[in-house]
Amino acid sequence: GNSVTQMEGPVTLSEEAFLTINCTYTATGYPSLFWYVQYPGEGLQLLLKATKADDKGSNKGFEATYRKETTSFHLEKGSVQVSDSAVYFCALSRRGAGGTSYGKLTFGQGTILTVHP
Amino acid sequence: KAGVTQTPRYLIKTRGQQVTLSCSPISGHRSVSWYQQTPGQGLQFLFEYFSETQRNKGNFPGRFSGRQFSNSRSEMNVSTLELGDSALYLCASSLGPESSEQYFGPGTRLTVT
Repeated sequence: GNSVTQMEGPVTLSEEAFLTINCTYTATGYPSLFWYVQYPGEGLQLLLKATKADDKGSNKGFEATYRKETTSFHLEKGSVQVSDSAVYFCALSRRGAGGTSYGKLTFGQGTILTVHP
Repeated sequence: KAGVTQTPRYLIKTRGQQVTLSCSPISGHRSVSWYQQTPGQGLQFLFEYFSETQRNKGNFPGRFSGRQFSNSRSEMNVSTLELGDSALYLCASSLGPESSEQYFGPGTRLTVT
């Protein structure tokens, strides 16, 4: 079956440090890949996505590149801010059997990021 | 445009009771998916609805059910509640089955005592 593995957290950084959160996946075919962020007491927000190999998703200074050869989708940001403190989830979706549905997201376990001033 | 709304935001129920959670998708979105989030199991897919039809179902017991109405609003029901059903239940909407982008609501926090 499909699965997503994220690096263990929590990750603690100082403001302006470089961030990498590793994500690898197992899936047949060509999944779409996502990063979601969850702030305390809130639902998930879509941060970025990539739908095919070598695509780079980017948003708010965050980037991730779909690497099919290493089945990875690592999240990076060059200079983190205190406001980036949150839980980050890597996820994938595939078309359902015989259908066109992207409706099922498979998530990693989440990585807690804390950024100190 | 308003986001995904979920009601109620918080619920406390007793073991054995049943509960119904509601989700209103973003205007124009026709697919709704539900997820359960717990500290131990993380985020797990419950089911997905489109055009009032369940398209996908996760690995949950039959006590978990859902439906979608003609206006795309969705409800999920959990019968005979167990302590392990305590979780944050998240609803997500998307334009339709061809869309890979899902937008999440704030969730309903269910506590079973």
